[in-house]
Parts: sequence; C-alpha cells; structure tokens
Amino acid sequence: AQSVAQPEDQVNVAEGNPLTVKCTYSVSGNPYLFWYVQYPNRGLQFLLKYITGDNLVKGSYGFEAEFNKSQTSFHLKKPSALVSDSALYFCAVRDEGGSQGNLIFGKGTKLSVKP
Amino acid sequence: DTGVSQDPRHKITKRGQNVTFRCDPISEHNRLYWYRQTLGQGPEFLTYFQNEAQLEKSRLLSDRFSAERPKGSFSTLEIQRTEQGDSAMYLCASSLEGLPHREQYFGPGTRLTVT
Repeated sequence: AQSVAQPEDQVNVAEGNPLTVKCTYSVSGNPYLFWYVQYPNRGLQFLLKYITGDNLVKGSYGFEAEFNKSQTSFHLKKPSALVSDSALYFCAVRDEGGSQGNLIFGKGTKLSVKP
Repeated sequence: DTGVSQDPRHKITKRGQNVTFRCDPISEHNRLYWYRQTLGQGPEFLTYFQNEAQLEKSRLLSDRFSAERPKGSFSTLEIQRTEQGDSAMYLCASSLEGLPHREQYFGPGTRLTVT
C-alpha cells in the first residue's frame, strides 16, 4: 500500500536560515511525488513535483526538493527562509502503476519562521 | 482568477440533516477530485471524476455520501443524515486529463460543522 510519512509535526527556523521539511514514502512502483503548501483558511497550493530524471527539483517561491530513491525520501528545502514561508506543508505520492485518481498525503508539517 | 471555487465556504448543520456542497473546477480541466481533511491530518481521497464519469470511490465514501458531475463541469457532494464525525474540511481539486503525474489544483474548501 502507498504511504507517506512526515516525521516532524513542526519545524522552527530563523529567518534567513536554510530550511528542510522531511518526507519519506512507500510505493510498490515508481513514485510521483508532490509538495503542497496550505495557508490558513486557504486551499492547498502546488509547489513542485518529481516525475523522473534529475533528483533535484525546483519549484515555486524558491523551494526545491531532493529525491533520494535509496532512502525513499523527498525532502523539501529552501536556502534562506522567509517569515512568509510560515505555513503547513504536505508531501504527497502517487504510484506510477496505481490509482489514477488519488494522491496519498502525509499528515503535514507546520513550518514556523521567526524574524 | 479562474481557479477552483467551492461553495459554501462554511456550513453549520444539525445532526441528521442533509447538506450539499458545490465545486467549480478550472474550466479546461477534465478531472475533478473530492478530498476530506480533518484537523491535524492531510487530505484523504473520497472520489474522482473524469468528465461526468465517476471513476473511483474510496471506502471512506459511505452510502450516505454521493457525488455527481452531471455535465462534466461543476460537481456536487451530498451528505445525507449527517453525523458529528462528518465534521471536516471538504476539498475539491481539478487537473488536466491523462498522465498520473499531473498536479491537482485545489479549491479553498468547505468547512462543515455538524452539531
């Protein structure tokens, strides 16, 4: 069965410091991996995705993510955090050979960036 | 802004009442998805449509839940005989048809409170 784990409920970072939000996954086939961000009272916004190819994926707002097949991880990173990055971040996976419909989401990680 | 819209944004109802939510996807998107999100959890897949055809339903979608997309445009999600456990955020998303690596675009959600 497909699953996603986000081991940290909350990540605290000082503004200007690099940030990492962790995600590990489990699928039976090749994964398609996604990161979404959710601001209060708003829907999820797509940040970036991994399909195949280069393990470092660049996305919106300066975010990037590194795919590591051997560690089954897809960690979200940003070189210099902004206070406005504070939000809830969700990792999601779909199995290449699995359901065409749904994404499997992690529980989310709350990112707090302090000035 | 031609993103995904949902109506209403908030709904308070008494246990046992029926409720209906509406979702308008991005106009050129063939696929439409419904998810449910409870506090502290990531979205959980309920069902999805390709055009007017409902192609997949989660086991979470009990027989009290029904979804339609009659003309392949907007969709409705109805919950009959609501229970307190139905209290959640109901999210709608849409995507272009085709490959499973297509990202989904989410609406702002409908927050349901069952008293």
